[in-house]
Amino acid sequence: EAQVTQNPRYLITVTGKKLTVTCSQNMNHEYMSWYRQDPGLGLRQIYYSMNVEVTDKGDVPEGYKVSRKEKRNFPLILESPSPNQTSLYFCASKGNVMGEKLFFGSGTQLSVL
Amino acid sequence: GESVGLHLPTLSVQEGDNSIINCAYSNSASDYFIWYKQESGKGPQFIIDIRSNMDKRQGQRVTVLLNKTVKHLSLQIAATQPGDSAVYFCAENSNFNKFYFGSGTKLNVKP
Repeated sequence: EAQVTQNPRYLITVTGKKLTVTCSQNMNHEYMSWYRQDPGLGLRQIYYSMNVEVTDKGDVPEGYKVSRKEKRNFPLILESPSPNQTSLYFCASKGNVMGEKLFFGSGTQLSVL
Repeated sequence: GESVGLHLPTLSVQEGDNSIINCAYSNSASDYFIWYKQESGKGPQFIIDIRSNMDKRQGQRVTVLLNKTVKHLSLQIAATQPGDSAVYFCAENSNFNKFYFGSGTKLNVKP
């Protein structure tokens, strides 16, 4: 089954404790992206990657890092989480042709205390 | 910058009625739009898309209308069912790398 898999589903942590949210896709997609979703706001792009070893900032990259060492994986790293990073995070992927559908993972609910 | 917005945060309809969810965008050069459905506890799912060279596109029970003159698009759901209850987002993707999402309309279907 074609899917984007994120882990963990829920995460509670404390300020300053480094964490990683993993994302994996099995569709051989070149493009992968991370979004955060906050009440009253649309999905906002954090980082995206056009292919292996190619990453770029989205609209809200501050406080986040990503890496793309393999085509299927695109982890999101919070080196020093802060309470304003409490949010619902989604990973997504698609092929590298304009107009291809964006497939989303099920989300990771992060709470930073 | 780009902006995409939805008109109503919540819409309640009776089961069997038609639903219309609206969305406005700011960039007149936008040429590709997508509607997503997000059920509780899940990620957004693709519903239907439309390019700017079209005014209307139909799927199964769903129709998207695009009015480029007023920069407005709408999603129509025919014979709304309880399973249609979800949050609906419009998104704009004219820059290949970026999708701009509206804040969403929550559709409540009353039995």
